[in-house]
Amino acid sequence: NAGVTQTPKFRILKIGQSMTLQCAQDMNHNYMYWYRQDPGMGLKLIYYSVGAGITDKGEVPNGYNVSRSTTEDFPLRLELAAPSQTSVYFCASTSTGTEAFFGQGTRLTVV
Amino acid sequence: AQSVTQLGSHVSVSEGALVLLRCNYSSSVPPYLFWYVQYPNQGLQLLLKYTTGATLVKGINGFEAEFKKSETSFHLTKPSAHMSDAAEYFCAVSESGAGGTSYGKLTFGQGTILTVHP
Repeated sequence: NAGVTQTPKFRILKIGQSMTLQCAQDMNHNYMYWYRQDPGMGLKLIYYSVGAGITDKGEVPNGYNVSRSTTEDFPLRLELAAPSQTSVYFCASTSTGTEAFFGQGTRLTVV
Repeated sequence: AQSVTQLGSHVSVSEGALVLLRCNYSSSVPPYLFWYVQYPNQGLQLLLKYTTGATLVKGINGFEAEFKKSETSFHLTKPSAHMSDAAEYFCAVSESGAGGTSYGKLTFGQGTILTVHP
């Protein structure tokens, strides 16, 4: 009963490096999301997807890219990492929009 | 556009005391409202939700919340705090109707850290 799985759990990047945060769900949910959490700021939506091949920007998309080639996977790509991208990233999914299931998060530090 | 305001970034209570975490929202359409809890270094877990119907909703761990449309509020309460309730709590709103333009996107408040003293 895996739910939403995120990898890696922790990562340190140097400024200018790139990386992909992985997210997979095994609940056959159509809707998937990426949020970032910063202290005292709550969670902000980066990108979301309503199905395979369909993605759209959220509130804070700059510096990120996503793809959705399958229902299960929704990777988040960081190009040219910057200190402002130091955050905790959460992937979530839902089938109905009335209960989102969250992964355990990826804690990213850019130095 | 939607927004959520949680009054008080930190709330401290004694074990056995009433817990009250405040949440006010704004939404141009009927909202779905949620409370999530986050324990240290964990993901978010749904405590309770309001979608339609009864405005007093009960969740896990003895928590409940009441949707008050006239006050645009969705405050979270628990009659008697337990040490295990210490965590960060997030109120969130989405537009009703996942099949519409909302697509279940959540707008979160800034969070309230609950501390429980023995």
